[in-house]
Amino acid sequence: GENVEQHPSTLSVQEGDSAVIKCTYSDSASNYFPWYKQELGKRPQLIIDIRSNVGEKKDQRIAVTLNKTAKHFSLHITETQPEDSAVYFCAATTSGTYKYIFGTGTRLKVLA
Amino acid sequence: DSGVTQTPKHLITATGQRVTLRCSPRSGDLSVYWYQQSLDQGLQFLIHYYNGEERAKGNILERFSAQQFPDLHSELNLSSLELGDSALYFCASSDGNSNQPQHFGDGTRLSIL
Repeated sequence: GENVEQHPSTLSVQEGDSAVIKCTYSDSASNYFPWYKQELGKRPQLIIDIRSNVGEKKDQRIAVTLNKTAKHFSLHITETQPEDSAVYFCAATTSGTYKYIFGTGTRLKVLA
Repeated sequence: DSGVTQTPKHLITATGQRVTLRCSPRSGDLSVYWYQQSLDQGLQFLIHYYNGEERAKGNILERFSAQQFPDLHSELNLSSLELGDSALYFCASSDGNSNQPQHFGDGTRLSIL
């Protein structure tokens, strides 16, 4: 069945450095790719999303890129801050289906 | 505030018992998804309802069941509880189109003693 692989599972960066998290999906028909941030003990919250007709989207320090040919998409966080420390989940969905496939999560730790 | 309401926030019970978790989706959302998140684990998809009908099932145990009512709220029933069922249970809603973001509730933390 469809799946989404997410790497790395853990990531430590120094404050001010950049962080990159990558996801690879299996269903070539997937066309919507959201990213969620989950702080400890809290609910996942949408931070950015991208649709298949766009190659890149940026929102302040956060950007997402999509490579449909390779079937992967990545989250880029620049100028990381301690409050960026959290678990990040990617997901992939396909129009007309009810499937919402989440990656396994990346625990990001920003070291002050 | 996501607009998704989950009750109760915390639930402590014993093995062998049965509990019901409740979720009210955002106003206008027709889809409700249930997820289980064990300690330091990812989001395990359990089940999805759209406008009262079951649409997809994930790794949901036979001891677990769910339904979505005409007013669109949903309930997740967990029976014959085991220690391993201790987890955070999230409900998420969307407008029904899988091409839209899901909005998560704050979750119900279930502890089995």
